[in-house]
Amino acid sequence: DQQVKQNSPSLSVQEGRISILNCDYTNSMFDYFLWYKKYPAEGPTFLISISSIKDKNEDGRFTVFLNKSAKHLSLHIVPSQPGDSAVYFCATYSGNTGKLIFGQGTTLQVKP
Amino acid sequence: DAGITQSPRHKVTETGTPVTLRCHQTENHRYMYWYRQDPGHGLRLIHYSYGVKDTDKGEVSDGYSVSRSKTEDFLLTLESATSSQTSVYFCAISDRLARETQYFGPGTRLLVL
Repeated sequence: DQQVKQNSPSLSVQEGRISILNCDYTNSMFDYFLWYKKYPAEGPTFLISISSIKDKNEDGRFTVFLNKSAKHLSLHIVPSQPGDSAVYFCATYSGNTGKLIFGQGTTLQVKP
Repeated sequence: DAGITQSPRHKVTETGTPVTLRCHQTENHRYMYWYRQDPGHGLRLIHYSYGVKDTDKGEVSDGYSVSRSKTEDFLLTLESATSSQTSVYFCAISDRLARETQYFGPGTRLLVL
């Protein structure tokens, strides 16, 4: 039973355009939502997070949107750069369990 | 980058042999975690620790054990490795004040033949 789903295994965008990565979750009791970025042969790197009491958080080119009624999370990257090409994982956190639950990941390719 | 190292970085072993992976941190963080990453599954929690000698099971703990005798070290042991344990293993840490944000090590690629 997958509690966190990233339904798009891959995404390709042109440099300078917007990249939108999506994530759906099933449990409305999560407290935080996070995005991680992973390059080949490296560990995941924390990118940005959002509390369940907010609907938007911005950090430079990265913005995370949370739609609690739809149980949907998205990451916007504007403008996209070739160095953004990586696998992106969304994750949910529950203060009750103290655990992260990850989606399957989306591979983003930004073409020059 | 958080000070997390994993050893070895790569290992090839045979079915039935014991394997121990080590995670070492220099951040003095209370919480430590072991994950495995497999295609189509994202990262799945194996075991975690909330203090020295305090550990608990994660989502995919069967066939694995852990130990934490010091704050800085968290060991993952495969008592008798199987081919299904071929994977990439990541260690992560988090601080008690921001437990939701975990920082990951570089990973260990394990191949069980």
